[in-house]
This record gives sequence, structure tokens and C-alpha cells, in this order.
Amino acid sequence: DAGITQSPRYKITETGRQVTLMCHQTWSHSYMFWYRQDLGHGLRLIYYSAAADITDKGEVPDGYVVSRSKTENFPLTLESATRSQTSVYFCASSESGGTYEQYFGPGTRLTVT
Amino acid sequence: GEDVEQSLFLSVREGDSSVINCTYTDSSSTYLYWYKQEPGAGLQLLTYIFSNMDMKQDQRLTVLLNKKDKHLSLRIADTQTGDSAIYFCAEKSSGSARQLTFGSGTQLTVLP
Repeated sequence: DAGITQSPRYKITETGRQVTLMCHQTWSHSYMFWYRQDLGHGLRLIYYSAAADITDKGEVPDGYVVSRSKTENFPLTLESATRSQTSVYFCASSESGGTYEQYFGPGTRLTVT
Repeated sequence: GEDVEQSLFLSVREGDSSVINCTYTDSSSTYLYWYKQEPGAGLQLLTYIFSNMDMKQDQRLTVLLNKKDKHLSLRIADTQTGDSAIYFCAEKSSGSARQLTFGSGTQLTVLP
């Protein structure tokens, strides 16, 4: 049972470059989320998706783009990376109904130089 | 908007009990959660409590909820070195679709 995976686990990129972080889940959960984790800020929601082709902004969406053409995948793209986007990014998923708990991937550590 | 607050650090001796506290502001919270994050890993769901409950026990973990004071705590009995991690409190508001609001996390250090 692979669960939820993220790739790459580590990425170094330069300011201005486009970079895509991948997220894949095998549970067929309807909901998927992208968070960033920064010291002193805890987890902040970037974007979420309720189903394929349905996405919505979270708390800190500026500079990010998401898509969800298939239920199991939810890529996050930084169109023109900035140093302030250096962070650890977590993807999570949640099934519809139930008790709303979210299940997290292992994270991607992104450094923008 | 909703806010969830936790103290940043807690140190305990191995074998003692740990109590991690959390306060939240949203009176319409329906579920509250505790997650554990070990170094270099994602968040792992430990337990959750529904807002109409006062207490939930699961092996070494006891969750207490004081809805009047909007205070949530996680007690870990017989704390072990493997319990050293960051613990996050999170809440689900009745006003949000599926989003959870997370606290900043409490770094628990277990001393031998």
C-alpha cells in the first residue's frame, strides 16, 4: 500500500526557474491539499482540490499553480521561483465524508538560490 | 480567522508523562486532531476527538477537550525517547469545506 508519495524529495533550483512538485495517492481520496511548512508558521495551505478538475485557493496561493486532471495526482508548479518559496512542501489527501482527517506525504524540501 | 496556538518547546524525562497544550479560537470547531512529525518525515495522524466529547483515550495517549475554554491537550503516558518529535494540533471548522487549521507545533524532547 504505497499511500501518498511526493517527488522529488529534495530540489535545488534557481530564482526565476519553473519547478513542479509531484504528488500521487493510491487511496482514490477525493480531496487533496498542498501545504508549505516554514519555521514559526507551522503549516499553511497553498491550494486544495475537492475532485478532478476542481481546485481552490488556500491561505498563501500567490506564485503557485495547481492542476488535477486525474484523481490520484495533484502537481504543484512554481511558475517563476523566488527565494521566499524556499520551504518544505507537503501534499495531503482526505476522503470525502468521515472525520475529515488528512494523510500526509513525506514532503519535498525545496531550496531556491 | 481561525487561530490555533501551541507552546513551541517541551522537555520531559523518559518515563514521565508529557502534556502538550493547544488553544483555538473557533467556537464552531467540529473535530480536533493531533499529528506527530518525526525529523525528515511528513505528519502522522495520532488521534482526533469530536467536539462533543470531553476525553478520548488510545493506549498511552489521552486527549482532553475543554470546549468552554477552547483548550485541547495531549497527554503521553510513560514517555519514551521515540516520542521525541514535533506535535501539531489542528482543528476543523464547521465553516470550512475540508480545510484544517494547524498550530505551529510543539517540539517534544525526551531526556534520558
